Amino acid sequence: GQQLNQSPQSMFIQEGEDVSMNCTSSSIFNTWLWYKQDPGEGPVLLIALYKAGELTSNGRLTAQFGITRKDSFLNISASIPSDVGIYFCAGPSNAGGTSYGKLTFGQGTILTVHP
Amino acid sequence: DAGITQSPRYKITETGRQVTLMCHQTWSHSYMFWYRQDLGHGLRLIYYSAAADITDKGEVPDGYVVSRSKTENFPLTLESATRSQTSVYFCASSENRDLGYTFGSGTRLTVV
Repeated sequence: GQQLNQSPQSMFIQEGEDVSMNCTSSSIFNTWLWYKQDPGEGPVLLIALYKAGELTSNGRLTAQFGITRKDSFLNISASIPSDVGIYFCAGPSNAGGTSYGKLTFGQGTILTVHP
Repeated sequence: DAGITQSPRYKITETGRQVTLMCHQTWSHSYMFWYRQDLGHGLRLIYYSAAADITDKGEVPDGYVVSRSKTENFPLTLESATRSQTSVYFCASSENRDLGYTFGSGTRLTVV
């Protein structure tokens, strides 16, 4: 089945640093979604991307839909302690039928921010 | 309150017992999902539902049962709990996957 590969698996950074992470797929996606999961909570949608080359920002977060449609990138500028959590990328499953509503998730990038 | 709610938030049960995790959403979303999250495995899909009375297996369905008699509810039952089912369970709902899922806050289940 489809797989999304996220990298890096984990990051340890100092407060104030910028962060970059990416997600790659073996197949083309028409939508890319980025989620953040705070410790002890469910994932929350941060940014949705719908067009190849699209660059979308949400505060200090910027995400890009790769030109090849097989990758996406998430950048966080000037990190703060509350950026700590797990970041997931996701895209629509290519299965049909009742599977049409499914998303495929990456394995997540664990971000730790040291004050 | 509008949203998606999971109950209980925490549960400890004994091996061999049946336990049901509840999920309720107020938006009448067609799609609902159950995931488990374990260290090193990310989110793994257990079961999903495209509508009331339509359910299908995900990646790790063994040992779990679901039902969806009403659009708003999607309970997950562990028929005979095992220690390997100790995990954090998330329910999610969606009307359009391109808009993403909305996740509940999770149920932390410990099987002793």
